Amino acid sequence: GAVVSQHPSRVICKSGTSVKIECRSLDFQATTMFWYRQFPKQSLMLMATSNEGSKATYEQGVEKDKFLINHASLTLSTLTVTSAHPEDSSFYICSASRGFRASGEDTQYFGPGTRLTVL
Amino acid sequence: AQKVTQAQTEISVVEKEDVTLDCVYETRDTTYYLFWYKQPPSGELVFLIRRNSFDEQNEISGRYSWNFQKSTSSFNFTITASQVVDSAVYFCALLTGANSKLTFGKGITLSVRP
Repeated sequence: GAVVSQHPSRVICKSGTSVKIECRSLDFQATTMFWYRQFPKQSLMLMATSNEGSKATYEQGVEKDKFLINHASLTLSTLTVTSAHPEDSSFYICSASRGFRASGEDTQYFGPGTRLTVL
Repeated sequence: AQKVTQAQTEISVVEKEDVTLDCVYETRDTTYYLFWYKQPPSGELVFLIRRNSFDEQNEISGRYSWNFQKSTSSFNFTITASQVVDSAVYFCALLTGANSKLTFGKGITLSVRP
C-alpha cells in the first residue's frame, strides 16, 4: 500500500518561533501533496495544494506568508508555520497522491498528522 | 458549491450491534466521487472506499457495506456486528472534477462499548 509519513508527530513551541513539518511519501512518487488543518472535534479544512516543483495553491483565507509550503521533490513536502502564535495550535495533516491534481480516480493517502501546540 | 452533511455527530452502540452512518451530499456536477475515511484516536485517516457517480452498485467489504443512492444524494455506511476497534471518527467526503479538492463532512464519532 501507499504510506505517507509526517514528522514530527507532536511539537510544542514558543510564540514567535517557526516550526517546520515534513510530509513524505515512502513508497510512491507524490506529484501532488495537500495540507489540511483540523481543529478539535472538527472536520479537515484544506489549506493548500502543492505540486512538485511549483508554487503551492492556497485556499481562500489561508495566509501564504504564514504557512510556507515547499514541494521540492516527488517524495517530500514541507509546511513551515512562521512566527507561530497560540491560534495556530492545531492538528496538521498532509496527504499525497500520484496524480497532478486531486482526482477521483487517484486516491489521496493521508499522513498520521502533526499536533502543534504554541505556548 | 459542494457540501457534505453528516447529521449524526456522535453514535454509541454496544458491541455486535449494527450501525449506519449517514452521509448526504450536494453538488451540481454530474461527475463526482464519494469517499469514506476512518480516523482512529491515533489521528491518521484511513481510506475505506471510493465510489464514482456513475456506479450506484452497493458494495460490501467484510462487515462494512455502503449504500449509494443518487435519488436521495446519500452515501450511507453500515457496520455490521460492530467491534470495539471500530470506535473512531468517520468522515464522508466529496470530490468533483470542477472543484478538484476533497470536501469533508464534519465527521461522526462512533463509540462501540464492550
